[in-house]
Amino acid sequence: QVQLQESGPGLVKPSETLSLTCTVSGGSISSYSWSWIRQPPGKGLEWIGYIYNSGSTNYNPSLKSRVTISVDTSKNQFSLKLNSVTAADTAVYYCARGLGSGGDYWGQGTLVTVSS
Amino acid sequence: DVVMTQSPLSLPVTLGQPASISCRSSQSLVYSDGNTYLNWFQQRPGQSPRRLIYRVSNRDSGVPDRFSGSGSGTDFTLKISRVEAEDVGVYYCMQGTHWPFTFGPGTKVDIK
Repeated sequence: QVQLQESGPGLVKPSETLSLTCTVSGGSISSYSWSWIRQPPGKGLEWIGYIYNSGSTNYNPSLKSRVTISVDTSKNQFSLKLNSVTAADTAVYYCARGLGSGGDYWGQGTLVTVSS
Repeated sequence: DVVMTQSPLSLPVTLGQPASISCRSSQSLVYSDGNTYLNWFQQRPGQSPRRLIYRVSNRDSGVPDRFSGSGSGTDFTLKISRVEAEDVGVYYCMQGTHWPFTFGPGTKVDIK
């Protein structure tokens, strides 16, 4: 059974960089594409970006200049970095397997609060 | 960006009765490969989204057959044939055809 688990700091200061890791178990990370999605408290869902199994990436234009997604196949992990964060970046961040078909496996999500 | 709209936004239902959620996109969701990347998610309170239906009408493994999806082009529907208590939550449609992928605002389903 494939499982995804997000990890990283729950509190980030404004203007700093949010860094999260998604650890994949029960399957190889090399065979699929992987995504990050976020959900501000009480609000809807936003697709942040994705990384193909080839390593190429695509980012939401609304965040493009601030986002980096990378993969570490040796650890079966992929990561999200979002720099210059503001309070508007406070959200539950989810990692998921897949792209256009929506992602068949999702992590449980991790709340990241941006506050001084 | 492709705008996804859903109706209704709130859906009180009686246990055992059917329910239907409409989703419309601002552009056709037919991709160049011929597939239509319209997916449905369920988010129960306090949980992460769970995909129920992918590419319009394909039910995910473990999803009860009371859930069904239909539609084409820009108009899509999620139907629950007989609502059960465990179906309470927010339902989102999501398009994966045009980048950036976008979600509808969600339809909150609860029991009358």
